Amino acid sequence: GNSVTQMEGPVTLSEEAFLTINCTYTATGYPSLFWYVQYPGEGLQLLLKATKADDKGSNKGFEATYRKETTSFHLEKGSVQVSDSAVYFCALSAHQGGKLIFGQGTELSVKP
Amino acid sequence: EPEVTQTPSHQVTQMGQEVILRCVPISNHLYFYWYRQILGQKVEFLVSFYNNEISEKSEIFDDQFSVERPDGSNFTLKIRSTKLEDSAMYFCASSEQGGHTDTQYFGPGTRLTVL
Repeated sequence: GNSVTQMEGPVTLSEEAFLTINCTYTATGYPSLFWYVQYPGEGLQLLLKATKADDKGSNKGFEATYRKETTSFHLEKGSVQVSDSAVYFCALSAHQGGKLIFGQGTELSVKP
Repeated sequence: EPEVTQTPSHQVTQMGQEVILRCVPISNHLYFYWYRQILGQKVEFLVSFYNNEISEKSEIFDDQFSVERPDGSNFTLKIRSTKLEDSAMYFCASSEQGGHTDTQYFGPGTRLTVL
């Protein structure tokens, strides 16, 4: 079946460091891929998405490229801020009706 | 910006009691979803709902669970007889067309604690 695997956290970085959170997926067909973010005490917010191979999603300095050959959708940011501290979820959706299948989440903590 | 709302934010109940979690999806959206997140675990799909009927449900969504759209705005999740293992954060979401490229917009969640 379809699944998503994320790197385990927590990830602790200093402000302005480079961030990579790895995400790989298993799916039949051509899924859409998403990164959601959950700030402390809040719900899930869409961070970015890509709907076909080689698409790059970007938002708020975060980027991720849909790589079909490596079945990956790694999240990157060049310079993290304290305000980026949150839990990041990689997810896929593969068919009409669009249920999301989530990875386990990666907690990011950015220190000043 | 339109948003999905959920009430209550926190519900405490005794094992065996019925609970109803409420959601107001974004008004022009056609697909509605419930997910849950047990503390420290993945966000898991429970059920999707379209055109007043269940579109898809997971193995978790057994006979103890039901969903309803009682009026033009609310979308509810009922757990008939709660168990300790139902303790989790429950998220409602909605999307415009339900396609796999569509964005799902999530509410802030209801934390259910079963004692």
